[in-house]
Parts: sequence; C-alpha cells; structure tokens
Amino acid sequence: GESVGLHLPTLSVQEGDNSIINCAYSNSASDYFIWYKQESGKGPQFIIDIRSNMDKRQGQRVTVLLNKTVKHLSLQIAATQPGDSAVYFCAENPTGGFKTIFGAGTRLFVKA
Amino acid sequence: NAGVTQTPKFRVLKTGQSMTLLCAQDMNHEYMYWYRQDPGMGLRLIHYSVGEGTTAKGEVPDGYNVSRLKKQNFLLGLESAAPSQTSVYFCASSYSLGTGRVNQPQHFGDGTRLSIL
Repeated sequence: GESVGLHLPTLSVQEGDNSIINCAYSNSASDYFIWYKQESGKGPQFIIDIRSNMDKRQGQRVTVLLNKTVKHLSLQIAATQPGDSAVYFCAENPTGGFKTIFGAGTRLFVKA
Repeated sequence: NAGVTQTPKFRVLKTGQSMTLLCAQDMNHEYMYWYRQDPGMGLRLIHYSVGEGTTAKGEVPDGYNVSRLKKQNFLLGLESAAPSQTSVYFCASSYSLGTGRVNQPQHFGDGTRLSIL
C-alpha cells in the first residue's frame, strides 16, 4: 500500500550540530513533497517543499533533498537550535486527487 | 492575520452525543481539509472541500459530516460520537492553482482535542 515512512523515529542532536531527518516514500506518482514541523500542542507548520523536477531546495537553515531513483526525501537543518525540537513530518502528494500522504513523524531532540 | 482558527480547543463528550467542530481561515484559500491525528498513524484525511458549497470524502469519512456554506468556514460534525473518534482533529487550508489537486502547502490550525467517554 501507499506509505510515507521514516528511517528513524527519534533523533537527538547537540545544539549547533546539523540534523538530518530521512523519509522514504512509496508512490512513484508523487510529484510534490513537503516537510512540516509540529511542536507540542500545535498544528503542523510548513517548513519547505520541493517538486519532482528538482533535486534540492534551500531555505533559511533548512535544505530538502529529493532522490527520485530510490524514492528518498531528507530534511537537513543547519546549526540546530533548541527551538528546532519538535516532530517533523514528511508528506507526499500523488498527481491527481487531494490525498496527502503523511509519514508518522520523527521526533527531534536538541541537547543544549 | 490569524491564519486557521479552530474551536473549541478541547472537548469531552459522552458516547452518542453530537457536536460540531468549527474551522475558520482568513487567507482566502479555496481548499479546506479536516484531518484526525492518532498516535503512530500520522494525519488522516476525513473530508475536504475545493470551494464554497462543495465537500468530498477523504480517507476516513465514516461517522463524520461536513459543510462549507461560506468560503472561510469549514465545519466538521459528529452526529453520534463513539470512543473510536477520540482523537486530535486538525483543520487545514491551502491555496488553489486551479489544477484540481494539492500542490501547495497546507496551513493548519492548532487542533481540537476530543475525548469520547
């Protein structure tokens, strides 16, 4: 079945280090991918997105990489800060329809 | 600009009771969605709307109804609450490029935490 999964359910990093959160997707028809951040008691917040005609996209301190060959998505956070502690979701949108497939999430802990 | 606002934030119901969850967005988005979030299962789409007066079923629509009488509001109703509907409910909205699909980021509210006893 369709799934968007994560290699690591939890990730603990030292403040100032770089973080990498990985995600595997299974629907080869997906052409739009999004990373969301969810803090405790809040709704998911958009971080960055990427379309299938790109391999890499950069934002402020964040970079998303897309490898369509192996159906892999990653989120890189530079100089991780305590405020980055949250659950991170990857999501994919297959072409056609309104179903967004969300992963179960990875919890990022930032140690001071 | 408040974004997406959900009310109430918390609610406890008894089995068989009914209630309506309210969602309002002030971004003039065409598309609106209702999700439920359960531990270990990610977000699952209940119903969605592509415009005022239109609604459609998502992945887990049973036991829920929705209405979109105004562009800015999307209501989720539980006619007869069941313990299996205990969850956190999120409303979201997104911009439309008129392509008939989701290809813009969704903006989420902060959720309604619903417990059914």
